[in-house]
Amino acid sequence: KQEVTQIPAALSVPEGENLVLNCSFTDSAIYNLQWFRQDPGKGLTSLLLIQSSQREQTSGRLNASLDKSSGRSTLYIAASQPGDSATYLCAVKSTNAGKSTFGDGTTLTVKP
Amino acid sequence: SQTIHQWPATLVQPVGSPLSLECTVEGTSNPNLYWYRQAAGRGLQLLFYSVGIGQISSEVPQNLSASRPQDRQFILSSKKLLLSDSGFYLCAWSRREGTYNEQFFGPGTRLTVL
Repeated sequence: KQEVTQIPAALSVPEGENLVLNCSFTDSAIYNLQWFRQDPGKGLTSLLLIQSSQREQTSGRLNASLDKSSGRSTLYIAASQPGDSATYLCAVKSTNAGKSTFGDGTTLTVKP
Repeated sequence: SQTIHQWPATLVQPVGSPLSLECTVEGTSNPNLYWYRQAAGRGLQLLFYSVGIGQISSEVPQNLSASRPQDRQFILSSKKLLLSDSGFYLCAWSRREGTYNEQFFGPGTRLTVL
């Protein structure tokens, strides 16, 4: 059974700082890994999707990496802004069609 | 472009009452559809997923059920709600074919059972 862990549960940084969010998973046999952002009381917004054959994906100030052998993914946020404050979730899609396992998320606060 | 709708946005129901939450997707055909529940401060728990009309897979045994009467419509139901059914319910879709099946989420329904 796939298990996904996100550490730390919460992170507070000053504006402008570069930061890394971590996601680890127990079963390396994955289809893809997806990073989401969730604002309070809202649905999830997809940020980046990394295929199992890929090592990283970039979108603007965001860069996500994937190391299947070690069961880890990181989300790098450059030059953080107060608007980046949200909960970030990672989800791992297993080899079984249609199923994803989510971590509990990291709640990020960027202070002005 | 594709959009996903959920309603109602919020719902307060007494224990023992029935439930019906609806999710519809526009702008795509033959999607995979998913129902998730998110408890306060927690990650998402997959409840049901569907790869086609009338095809429902249940991930967690409970008093909830799901149906897919049309290709782009997914309904979550209960005959009698429990207090533990309170939570944030999210519907999602992904393309059926290929591994590049990114999931897209709806705005969610906040359910409070009293």
